[in-house]
Amino acid sequence: QKEVEQDPGPLSVPEGAIVSLNCTYSNSAFQYFMWYRQYSRKGPELLMYTYSSGNKEDGRFTAQVDKSSKYISLFIRDSQPSDSATYLCAMGETGANNLFFGTGTRLTVIP
Amino acid sequence: DTEVTQTPKHLVMGMTNKKSLKCEQHMGHRAMYWYKQKAKKPPELMFVYSYEKLSINESVPSRFSPECPNSSLLNLHLHALQPEDSALYLCASSQFSTGDQPQHFGDGTRLSIL
Repeated sequence: QKEVEQDPGPLSVPEGAIVSLNCTYSNSAFQYFMWYRQYSRKGPELLMYTYSSGNKEDGRFTAQVDKSSKYISLFIRDSQPSDSATYLCAMGETGANNLFFGTGTRLTVIP
Repeated sequence: DTEVTQTPKHLVMGMTNKKSLKCEQHMGHRAMYWYKQKAKKPPELMFVYSYEKLSINESVPSRFSPECPNSSLLNLHLHALQPEDSALYLCASSQFSTGDQPQHFGDGTRLSIL
């Protein structure tokens, strides 16, 4: 079993829809959670960083962490065609030197 | 534009060539990373530098040789690569090399081995 599981999609939604992207993890030592957006032929771009259970909002994006269920989500409201990209979750633990990535979910927002 | 700059953006090389990839950051970060990313896969960690010292080598073949000349620069020297080494090579940096630090990525070098 991988430490971080992410549905690879692909996921297609109409413009304006609410998108839910999810990751589950098995390592209870993970305390820090990130979401990255990666456009084709570009590097991953940090979207959200959180280290506590609950919700964190930034514009149209909301990151949700449920440590008891070992489950994190990224919600995108009023999705736009420019949101079409691959979304990667990543997690870290205190004392570790590296992050653990999900496999990424490919999202397409159709105009 | 990203705050981590990688050059070149594209590189085509033969299996006998020697080339280098370069990465630069001016965020004052003390940790820098090399990743390899194949199509439709997540980034795969290769090397971690912390305070200019190599702290992690994820069993990478010796045909890849990293170098950290100073806290802002990271190089990856390539020699005698194989076709399966064709990939996007990403550089990243973070404040420190600990799991609580988000990493910031460059846009990568797309490498093709003929």
